[in-house]
Amino acid sequence: NAGVTQTPKFRVLKTGQSMTLLCAQDMNHEYMYWYRQDPGMGLRLIHYSVGEGTTAKGEVPDGYNVSRLKKQNFLLGLESAAPSQTSVYFCASRRLAELYEQYFGPGTRLTVT
Amino acid sequence: EDKVVQSPLSLVVHEGDTVTLNCSYEVTNFRSLLWYKQEKKAPTFLFMLTSSGIEKKSGRLSSILDKKELFSILNITATQTGDSAIYLCAGPYGGSQGNLIFGKGTKLSVKP
Repeated sequence: NAGVTQTPKFRVLKTGQSMTLLCAQDMNHEYMYWYRQDPGMGLRLIHYSVGEGTTAKGEVPDGYNVSRLKKQNFLLGLESAAPSQTSVYFCASRRLAELYEQYFGPGTRLTVT
Repeated sequence: EDKVVQSPLSLVVHEGDTVTLNCSYEVTNFRSLLWYKQEKKAPTFLFMLTSSGIEKKSGRLSSILDKKELFSILNITATQTGDSAIYLCAGPYGGSQGNLIFGKGTKLSVKP
């Protein structure tokens, strides 16, 4: 099993460009999450999904959109990138029965110039 | 507002030392507290502490939970360079969705 994978691993964007980050999990997990991690800020929840076709806002959702069309995939979109969105983005997933233990992907390092 | 505070933010020790990392939390309706280890990439799960399981141990790592005083400690004995990482503490919030609020982490550096 690959676990949680993220594409791409690195990306550099110019201000105003758009992009989509892809998260895929092969563990048949119901819940999926997108976090951002900035120096000195810990992990902050952007959006999450409790199942296929459903999404909800987390702590810092502004400037991001998400979609979960298939159970195994969770997409994070930036419509118009800003330098403040320079960060490392982590995807995570968990089983419905394990209430809190989340499995994380390797991260995507995004730089917006 | 739910909050998880870790201390110290960074720590440098030598191999063989024992370290104690601290986590204090203020979350409504306490259910559990989790510790993760983050090396270069993805955080990996270490322990989960609950009201019914306030002490956990795995090799040289151990953790205890003081539910009354609202804090947890993570102990690492006989540290090795491979223990160098960011250690994250997290607590659930936001009802029953299982969402976690993370502390800022403690960056541990173990020197040979």
